[in-house]
Amino acid sequence: GAGVSQSPSNKVTEKGKDVELRCDPISGHTALYWYRQSLGQGLEFLIYFQGNSAPDKSGLPSDRFSAERTGGSVSTLTIQRTQQEDSAVYLCASSLGTGNYEQYFGPGTRLTVT
Amino acid sequence: RKEVEQDPGPFNVPEGATVAFNCTYSNSASQSFFWYRQDCRKEPKLLMSVYSSGNEDGRFTAQLNRASQYISLLIRDSKLSDSATYLCVVNIGGGSYIPTFGRGTSLIVHP
Repeated sequence: GAGVSQSPSNKVTEKGKDVELRCDPISGHTALYWYRQSLGQGLEFLIYFQGNSAPDKSGLPSDRFSAERTGGSVSTLTIQRTQQEDSAVYLCASSLGTGNYEQYFGPGTRLTVT
Repeated sequence: RKEVEQDPGPFNVPEGATVAFNCTYSNSASQSFFWYRQDCRKEPKLLMSVYSSGNEDGRFTAQLNRASQYISLLIRDSKLSDSATYLCVVNIGGGSYIPTFGRGTSLIVHP
């Protein structure tokens, strides 16, 4: 079946611009996670959704970052007034539920802020 | 102490070798454990879950040691295609639904 998809695959933007990243989870997966990975670094947790609710936003690096999920499916991660340090690969993962389920990752969006 | 720790490596082994990685976790309440593989500039892919009784899938064997709070991954008869970074993931459960990823262990299999 279809896996997790993300768009765009690559995004180059100028410092100060807003960007929106999209994630389509696997159908039927109620949990959705956003991570960030800088080159050569580990995964940095950003936020997760159970259904449309985001119980824990503590991983978001600043108030320039926000995310939403509608209809229990597609999620968007928005970064306002982008900075060069926002450059990274943004990964989305979904799972059947929260807790003890394995996650399946999308291919990521590579964001470059110039 | 970090919640999940892995030796970053790299582990440099010849084809056909057996190699093992460990991953230690700090929270004794941790409930589920996984190994993922990440190729360069690619997303992590699930390799296997780690059950209390252990888990074997072909050349790969995963073990859990709750007493010492670590999980292990054993790769037998290494192939060139096994070269990747191996990430361990720990779910604490009990209301915390944020999986904790290790930084990964790099494996290089050479001819």
